[in-house]
Amino acid sequence: DQQVKQNSPSLSVQEGRISILNCDYTNSMFDYFLWYKKYPAEGPTFLISISSIKDKNEDGRFTVFLNKSAKHLSLHIVPSQPGDSAVYFCAASSGGFKTIFGAGTRLFVKA
Amino acid sequence: NAGVTQTPKFRILKIGQSMTLQCTQDMNHNYMYWYRQDPGMGLKLIYYSVGAGITDKGEVPNGYNVSRSTTEDFPLRLELAAPSQTSVYFCASRQGNEQFFGPGTRLTVL
Repeated sequence: DQQVKQNSPSLSVQEGRISILNCDYTNSMFDYFLWYKKYPAEGPTFLISISSIKDKNEDGRFTVFLNKSAKHLSLHIVPSQPGDSAVYFCAASSGGFKTIFGAGTRLFVKA
Repeated sequence: NAGVTQTPKFRILKIGQSMTLQCTQDMNHNYMYWYRQDPGMGLKLIYYSVGAGITDKGEVPNGYNVSRSTTEDFPLRLELAAPSQTSVYFCASRQGNEQFFGPGTRLTVL
């Protein structure tokens, strides 16, 4: 039972364009959502998050949008840079100790 | 401030062998976690701890054991290694909603 789904295993984008990574969830009790970025041979690192009481959070080139009615969130990267090439994990928690991670989307940014 | 450190980085085990994956954090976080990541899959929670002396099972605890005698250390023990335990293992600590991950241990069981 996948509570957090990232249906696109990979995404390829031209440098300077927008990257949009999508994530769907099934548990309406989730109240906090996070995006992590992972480079090869490294652990994931926190990128950006959003509380369920908001619908948008922006941090520099990164913006996360939350649509609670659709149980959907997305990460926008504008403009995309080659250094953004990594695996991006969507994650969700419900105020407890555990965080549920999606399977990840591998982003390729072409120069 | 080293963050979360894990040793070893790589290990090859034979079926039936045992080993301990070490994890240490220097941020004084109470919450710590062990995950495994299989190819094409997300992070699956093996065990977690909310403080020294307190541990609990996650989604995939079978074949593993943990202990938490200090705030800093959270070792993961594999008693009888099986090929299904071939994976990359990540340890993490948590402050607020954010988790801080170690670099991972790549384990192969042959």
